[in-house]
Amino acid sequence: DGGITQSPKYLFRKEGQNVTLSCEQNLNHDAMYWYRQDPGQGLRLIYYSQIVNDFQKGDIAEGYSVSREKKESFPLTVTSAQKNPTAFYLCASSRGYSYEQYFGPGTRLTVT
Amino acid sequence: DAKTTQPPSMDCAEGRAANLPCNHSTISGNEYVYWYRQIHSQGPQYIIHGLKNNETNEMASLIITEDRKSSTLILPHATLRDTAVYYCIVRVDNQGGKLIFGQGTELSVKP
Repeated sequence: DGGITQSPKYLFRKEGQNVTLSCEQNLNHDAMYWYRQDPGQGLRLIYYSQIVNDFQKGDIAEGYSVSREKKESFPLTVTSAQKNPTAFYLCASSRGYSYEQYFGPGTRLTVT
Repeated sequence: DAKTTQPPSMDCAEGRAANLPCNHSTISGNEYVYWYRQIHSQGPQYIIHGLKNNETNEMASLIITEDRKSSTLILPHATLRDTAVYYCIVRVDNQGGKLIFGQGTELSVKP
């Protein structure tokens, strides 16, 4: 089946630890995105990438980092510098910037 | 960025058509209207999008007014599984075509 996978579904970490969220797609999409969703809120863009080895900051990139070494993978690292990391993280991909985005199932991160 | 306005909640009887309105009076000529829905604790699901003309796919129909200042998403025969939050989005041209999700409309389909 073609689609976007995110793992794990739930993730728990202690404050001060870095954590990496996985996002993989087998849709052969060029563009990939990371969004964050807080309870009762809409999605906010963290990072996006159009091609391998290239990515740009979104609206709330502080405290996060990404890499795009392979077309199908776009991992997100939540660093200890992120002040409020507890949230629902969503990865998306599209054929390109002007096409519809398809979302993965999300990872719910809880930091205590 | 163009702002959208949607009613916070709506009810619909199962088997009936659900008509979800959206206002986007500041939309620019080349900006598309997108609709997504999100079931609790899942990733948003793409439904449909359009620019000027009405659009239909296997999930829904999108009716855009001639002045493009508003649109309506139509689910022709709502089922209980259509209960979700529906987001009307005007996709921006910058930042990789990012999607700006507002509060959406919480649609409850009732038996």
